[in-house]
Amino acid sequence: DIQMTQSPSSLSASVGDRVTITCQASQDISNYLNWYQQKPGKAPMLLIYDASNLHTGVSSRFTASGSGTDFSLTIGSLQPEDAATYYCQHYGNFRITFGQGTRLEIK
Amino acid sequence: QLQLQESGSGLVKPSQTLSLTCIVSGGSISSGGYSWAWIRQPPGKGLEWIGSIYPSEKTYSTPSLKSRVTMSRDRSKNQISLNLTSVTAADTAVYYCALGSAFFAGPWGQGILVTVSS
Repeated sequence: DIQMTQSPSSLSASVGDRVTITCQASQDISNYLNWYQQKPGKAPMLLIYDASNLHTGVSSRFTASGSGTDFSLTIGSLQPEDAATYYCQHYGNFRITFGQGTRLEIK
Repeated sequence: QLQLQESGSGLVKPSQTLSLTCIVSGGSISSGGYSWAWIRQPPGKGLEWIGSIYPSEKTYSTPSLKSRVTMSRDRSKNQISLNLTSVTAADTAVYYCALGSAFFAGPWGQGILVTVSS
């Protein structure tokens, strides 16, 4: 089974900062990697699909890249509303795997 | 616009079967070649994919739950169902249904908390 490992597990940053979250797959997954944002008490919201494609309506402050085993999500110019937990997610061979999540706190 | 809402018992006794339905409104589950997924989240923890049902009616589940999971589609009621047998406290979670296969752009249900306790 493919494992998805996110880092860091949590981070704290200030408004206006630029932060990067990484996701590493245990084997080559091409670009089958998606990113979600989840706020407390809410369902996750898709940010990025296929490693680097911004989902409709998502702020352009969110960018992502990667292929193979190493992926990253960058949030430019942090805003208070970016406080959330971020998850990567892989799809392949009719299986879905989520990373363990990265909790982002805004100072 | 499709909307999803999970329903079912919020309290299940250990060893019993957890049964949830995802009621779909605003469109037919039979149209559009839709795939549906169940995803859960234990309190304070991360997301776990339970399984998916495809337009072909074929279902796939995460290996750790495969022996206990049944998913189905009821076209007459426009709903998706999940059964999870022999539950334990480890199955306590918020359960979500979601539209999608490779990724879940929405809609998602609002989630239903299911507690396993005697």
